[in-house]
Amino acid sequence: QKEVEQNSGPLSVPEGAIASLNCTYSDRGSQSFFWYRQYSGKSPELIMSIYSNGDKEDGRFTAQLNKASQYVSLLIRDSQPSDSATYLCAVNRDDKIIFGKGTRLHILP
Amino acid sequence: ETGVTQTPRHLVMGMTNKKSLKCEQHLGHNAMYWYKQSAKKPLELMFVYSLEERVENNSVPSRFSPECPNSSHLFLHLHTLQPEDSALYLCASSQALGYEQYFGPGTRLTVT
Repeated sequence: QKEVEQNSGPLSVPEGAIASLNCTYSDRGSQSFFWYRQYSGKSPELIMSIYSNGDKEDGRFTAQLNKASQYVSLLIRDSQPSDSATYLCAVNRDDKIIFGKGTRLHILP
Repeated sequence: ETGVTQTPRHLVMGMTNKKSLKCEQHLGHNAMYWYKQSAKKPLELMFVYSLEERVENNSVPSRFSPECPNSSHLFLHLHTLQPEDSALYLCASSQALGYEQYFGPGTRLTVT
């Protein structure tokens, strides 16, 4: 099992809808979780950090963490064409940040 | 300058050249990283420094040589590269190991 798994996509979502991105991780002891957005040809940009079970909201973004099921998700409400990017999930394992391979999100105008 | 800066932003070099990539962080962080990202491929961690000590070297060929003279600066020295080394080279920093990382804009390297 890969340490951090994401569906590579592309995930196509109509403009204005909710985009749901999922990530699973293998190390039950992981404590910190991050979501990054990467536009094509650009560097990753941190958009959310989450440390506790439950939901964390920041504007149109909501991160959800379920440690018992070992998954973390990112919801994007009212999706905009500018949200089209690759979203990277990252997990802290023993003070190492392990990145997933990313999910490509395409918002359909 | 704020955040993490990288120079140059673009570099074209021949296989026999020697060049260096520079990274500087203005965040007061204690850990710095080099990543390689080839076209449409995932991030590959190359080197990790914590408090100026190298703590990770992920089987990177010796033609890549990192240097961390202080906690704010990180270099990647390049020599006798191969065309397959063409990629986006990203520098990142974090408060400490395991904390969220902040990336610089990257250096787009082309080896001819």
